[in-house]
Amino acid sequence: QVQLQESGPGLVKPSETLSLTCTVSGGSVSSGSYYWSWIRQPPGKGLEWIGYIYYSGSTNYNPSLKSRVTISVDTYKNQFSLKLSSVTAADTAVYYCARDVVRRGAFDYWGQGTLVPVSS
Amino acid sequence: DIQLTQSPSFLSASVGDRVTITCRASQGISSYLAWYQQKPGKAPKLLIYAASTLQSGVPSRFSGSGSGTEFTLTISSLQPEDFATYYCQQLNSYPPPITFGQGTRLEIK
Repeated sequence: QVQLQESGPGLVKPSETLSLTCTVSGGSVSSGSYYWSWIRQPPGKGLEWIGYIYYSGSTNYNPSLKSRVTISVDTYKNQFSLKLSSVTAADTAVYYCARDVVRRGAFDYWGQGTLVPVSS
Repeated sequence: DIQLTQSPSFLSASVGDRVTITCRASQGISSYLAWYQQKPGKAPKLLIYAASTLQSGVPSRFSGSGSGTEFTLTISSLQPEDFATYYCQQLNSYPPPITFGQGTRLEIK
């Protein structure tokens, strides 16, 4: 059974960089069959796709966040990570990592999500 | 970017009812249209992908249809566990961006 688990600091200050890691078990980030995404959801609001990474390191980001986002992959640790720079209160959200099957365009496995408040 | 608009945004229904949620795209999209169910405090759960393919393990009372700019999710006979928020999501082509609809909250009447 594939499982994804987000981890990272529980609070980030404005103007700093938010950093999260997603650890994958029961599957491999080195598989060419999947894209590995980050998605966020502000409290009480809808879902926003942040970006994805492929095992090769190829990435694609939401244009609205592209200037502040970096997603990387560590195939040895079977993890992928998110960095979001220059955060503001508007970046307060539950952050999810998720798996997308190549050429299916849908997220079949999700982490449980982690709430990251941005506050001084 | 392609915008997805769900209707209604809020739906009140009873156990046993048949309900339909619509997702309209701002321009024609491929069949990369998915539906998710989200319950409070939980991650979304994939129900339907490729517009009409039922994800493994999802009850057959859920079905999806549509093409072009209009897609629907139908629940044939509501069960108590179906009361949740539903989202559509599109991926028009590779590379993305991927976008979600604003959500439809389904509540018990």
